Amino acid sequence: GAVVSQHPSRVICKSGTSVKIECRSLDFQATTMFWYRQFPKQSLMLMATSNEGSKATYEQGVEKDKFLINHASLTLSTLTVTSAHPEDSSFYICSARDQGSTDTQYFGPGTRLTVL
Amino acid sequence: DAKTTQPTSMDCAEGRAANLPCNHSTISGNEYVYWYRQIHSQGPQYIIHGLKNNETNEMASLIITEDRKSSTLILPHATLRDTAVYYCIVKGSQGNLIFGKGTKLSVKP
Repeated sequence: GAVVSQHPSRVICKSGTSVKIECRSLDFQATTMFWYRQFPKQSLMLMATSNEGSKATYEQGVEKDKFLINHASLTLSTLTVTSAHPEDSSFYICSARDQGSTDTQYFGPGTRLTVL
Repeated sequence: DAKTTQPTSMDCAEGRAANLPCNHSTISGNEYVYWYRQIHSQGPQYIIHGLKNNETNEMASLIITEDRKSSTLILPHATLRDTAVYYCIVKGSQGNLIFGKGTKLSVKP
């Protein structure tokens, strides 16, 4: 299957700082990428849908000013957690939609964020 | 909310076939069924998807009932590395994947 990368894989930051997470589709172009969050022992929850060249669509309850999404190219979307707090500590996972013949989403390996 | 229901957990002996069921009784005619799995602390891995016909690839087989209200993922020869949470998913209206709780498959020696 297609490959999606995320960077960094793990980050620890102080409360009040901002953290940027990158998501790249390595062997296909993705006009649509998705950002999920997963808390321990829970399933993935969709945070937002990122569309290349336009504003992201956020799910209900997700603050768009806190979780900034930029999808400036067909292979890169970024999620910036602004003014992070301990309750933002979570596993953040992106996926990229390959709209070729299979129209399948492929997931990145995830980013473990710990806010102290 | 997820459009599918799956058993919470299943066990399977190593080397045997693992059959994971999924109900999707409200699926509409043009909606695909997707299967992913998630090994602890990793991103979900795509396994297979189908619409009406049974599908097979190098990882698994997908059997979809004629009325499309349920399906079964088959891992023909389960190994210890197949221990994971398996998600059966029908896409949401925005084309996004809505994850339920999945089935925790434990493959035992």
